[in-house]
Amino acid sequence: DTEVTQTPKHLVMGMTNKKSLKCEQHMGHRAMYWYKQKAKKPPELMFVYSYEKLSINESVPSRFSPECPNSSLLNLHLHALQPEDSALYLCASSPYTRQPQHFGDGTRLSIL
Amino acid sequence: GQQLNQSPQSMFIQEGEDVSMNCTSSSIFNTWLWYKQDPGEGPVLLIALYKAGELTSNGRLTAQFGITRKDSFLNISASIPSDVGIYFCAGQTSNTGKLIFGQGTTLQVKP
Repeated sequence: DTEVTQTPKHLVMGMTNKKSLKCEQHMGHRAMYWYKQKAKKPPELMFVYSYEKLSINESVPSRFSPECPNSSLLNLHLHALQPEDSALYLCASSPYTRQPQHFGDGTRLSIL
Repeated sequence: GQQLNQSPQSMFIQEGEDVSMNCTSSSIFNTWLWYKQDPGEGPVLLIALYKAGELTSNGRLTAQFGITRKDSFLNISASIPSDVGIYFCAGQTSNTGKLIFGQGTTLQVKP
């Protein structure tokens, strides 16, 4: 079992909906990440949080809004998504940004 | 931008055979990581390499950090059906947390 927990596992939403993805870790890691992964492709980095502050935004469209309420929790708020945003969204964490990342099992997102 | 060339793209082997895959880059990396991803799950860290020339094992898996710091390989010995999955290499050049991933090697094992 992964120590990075993501909910929900599956999400279907319309283009006008607002929803949120949640990621939780209790390993005391101070760095957390959001990735987007298309089928049979490698994960693509979206955001990096270090000590609860956003340190990297890989030019992600504003319809994706990350939030780090505390050191254990990372959210990704979704609004007005497009069909091409359908993908597996992975969360990862690491003790610090220079150390190996551990992934959750992801949220499978489908945009209708 | 930085890119990793991972090969082979896919492999179909007989159970019990050894497997080798590698990643090369035009850039130097400080850290090399190898992950395995099963369908419907997130990538799982297999091996982390931190020094040029480092050779590290994890059970039947062995990985090496190339001397030039621009390449790494992963070997799997005596493959078994549960080795099936997609293997990704990833390199890190800085302390920002940004990983560069290879395109993945899909491994299929025939019992």
